[in-house]
Amino acid sequence: EVQLVESGGGLVQPGGSLRLSCAASGFTFSSYWMHWVRQAPGKGLVWVSRINSDGSSTSYADSVKGRFTISRDNAKNTLYLQMNSLRAEDTAVYYCARERNWGQGTLVTVSS
Amino acid sequence: NFMLTQPHSVSESPGKTVTISCTGSSGSIASNYVQWYQQRPGSAPTTVIYEDNQRPSGVPDRFSGSIDSSSNSASLTISGLKTEDEADYYCQSYDSSTWVFGGGTKLTVL
Repeated sequence: EVQLVESGGGLVQPGGSLRLSCAASGFTFSSYWMHWVRQAPGKGLVWVSRINSDGSSTSYADSVKGRFTISRDNAKNTLYLQMNSLRAEDTAVYYCARERNWGQGTLVTVSS
Repeated sequence: NFMLTQPHSVSESPGKTVTISCTGSSGSIASNYVQWYQQRPGSAPTTVIYEDNQRPSGVPDRFSGSIDSSSNSASLTISGLKTEDEADYYCQSYDSSTWVFGGGTKLTVL
């Protein structure tokens, strides 16, 4: 069974940093492109970033470009999202996802 | 940039059939696969349709997906509506190597 389990969310002050992790199991992690998607409270799904299977190619939404960094450790079956210079508008539930499968999400709240 | 447009909300009675549309802003929606996700309140999204019209195991055949090239749109049809189908539904496709989501449609089963 495919499982994606996010962790690392929490409350952070504006301008602060946070690193999210997504532990993958039940499939060959190193074969799949992976994505981060976020959902602000009461709003829709918004794509944030993606990384290819070996980590050599990444892409970001304009709203996070230059502040967020996606990475992966295929030996540890783990996806990461390093978030710097956080803003109030980054407050959301962050989901890691691959084609057809989603994690349960982790809440990031940016507030003073 | 490629965008997907969905109706904000739809409603229908139990036992009836409802169709949710997802219209592409440019190009051909048939050029890339479309996925549909169901999200119940307080829960993560789950896939109900992938690759335009494929159902993951465990998704009932009351759910079906289709593409209409003439209107540049995808559709999710749910037949025999049940109260448990009440949820938000999102379509998703691609723009280059990124994911693009529709704004979501709230389905009310009343």
